[in-house]
Amino acid sequence: GQNIDQPTEMTATEGAIVQINCTYQTSGFNGLFWYQQHAGEAPTFLSYNVLDGLEEKGRFSSFLSRSKGYSYLLLKELQMKDSASYLCALNQAGTALIFGKGTTLSVSS
Amino acid sequence: EPEVTQTPSHQVTQMGQEVILRCVPISNHLYFYWYRQILGQKVEFLVSFYNNEISEKSEIFDDQFSVERPDGSNFTLKIRSTKLEDSAMYFCASRGEREGPWGDTQYFGPGTRLTVL
Repeated sequence: GQNIDQPTEMTATEGAIVQINCTYQTSGFNGLFWYQQHAGEAPTFLSYNVLDGLEEKGRFSSFLSRSKGYSYLLLKELQMKDSASYLCALNQAGTALIFGKGTTLSVSS
Repeated sequence: EPEVTQTPSHQVTQMGQEVILRCVPISNHLYFYWYRQILGQKVEFLVSFYNNEISEKSEIFDDQFSVERPDGSNFTLKIRSTKLEDSAMYFCASRGEREGPWGDTQYFGPGTRLTVL
């Protein structure tokens, strides 16, 4: 089985940096994904880690430590449009994604 | 940029009726998925489909559900006898072969909001 934990809510201000953590327990590991989901919309892909370390993609970076069962998503230079839910998703085996409950980020001016 | 499309965007049905949700995956993708998200809850995996057969399915995907790729472009989810608890947003996703650093990425369609009355 698997278990994925993320904070339920976070708040930040425009221009700031925010780190959203994800911890997991799993019997198999094929990769960890981060998706963004605005209310009522589909998840959109942000980042993917399969090896330990940092992956950088513009304002977004994601870090993975497989030995610790830990990942984080780092968002820099926050903008109002970054207000959304951020979903940590595990590829345990095969190709199915198992999602966490998501972290709702509110960005204020 | 290619994208996954889904129809209809909204579907309202009576309990016990059959519904078919349709998806057109990205054209060169080979792996297809259905997920659902009950309002206020997390995204849940239902089923994956590869090489014209189901490759994985979750406990949610019971005999009430079926998937089909009737032609070269469409991928459908059929719910045979809908229940109130089937009300959710249903997302289709597709994925290509593992090429490059993002090759495992699944791309989601906009979803079909199913309401069972």
